[in-house]
Amino acid sequence: GDSVTQTEGLVTLTEGLPVMLNCTYQTAYSTFLFWYVQHLNEAPKLLLKSSTDNKRTEHQGFHATLHKSSSSFHLQKSSAQLSDSALYYCALSDTGGLSGKLTFGEGTQVTVIS
Amino acid sequence: EAAVTQSPRNKVTVTGGNVTLSCRQTNSHNYMYWYRQDTGHGLRLIHYSYGAGNLQIGDVPDGYKATRTTQEDFFLLLELASPSQTSLYFCASSDVAGGYEQYFGPGTRLTVL
Repeated sequence: GDSVTQTEGLVTLTEGLPVMLNCTYQTAYSTFLFWYVQHLNEAPKLLLKSSTDNKRTEHQGFHATLHKSSSSFHLQKSSAQLSDSALYYCALSDTGGLSGKLTFGEGTQVTVIS
Repeated sequence: EAAVTQSPRNKVTVTGGNVTLSCRQTNSHNYMYWYRQDTGHGLRLIHYSYGAGNLQIGDVPDGYKATRTTQEDFFLLLELASPSQTSLYFCASSDVAGGYEQYFGPGTRLTVL
């Protein structure tokens, strides 16, 4: 079945330094990859999505590139801000299988300190 | 913007009690989902549906029933609540356009004493 792996469970960063959160996946079908962000006491909301191989996608200072050859969709930002402290989920959708489900990773809790 | 609402936002019940969590979406989406979120476990899918009257079993269905009465409304039922069901519950909706990008409701915090 489908799977998503986020290798970092907890990340602590200093404000102004770069951010990189890892996401790798396994699927037998064509798919969309997503990054969701969840701030404290809020619902998850979409940060980025992509289905196009080797195309950089950007939003709110974050960017990610889907690499199908390595099954990766890492999230990056050049300079962390205190407001980036949140829980980040990588997810994939089974568009080929048409189940309508998203497979989520376990999440990476990011804390940015000054 | 997509809209998903949930009620109640907070609920406290006792062990063995009956609880119904409600979700409504006004996105005209076919798919709706119920998740629970617990520290250390991320988002776990309980049940989902791709239309009125349809129900699909998710990854952690034990102890939960669900019913999709209309395209807009999806309910999660706990008929004999247990303390292990204390959690934060999210509803979401999606459709095939956009690759099943999910829009989440604000969540319901359930406490079972």
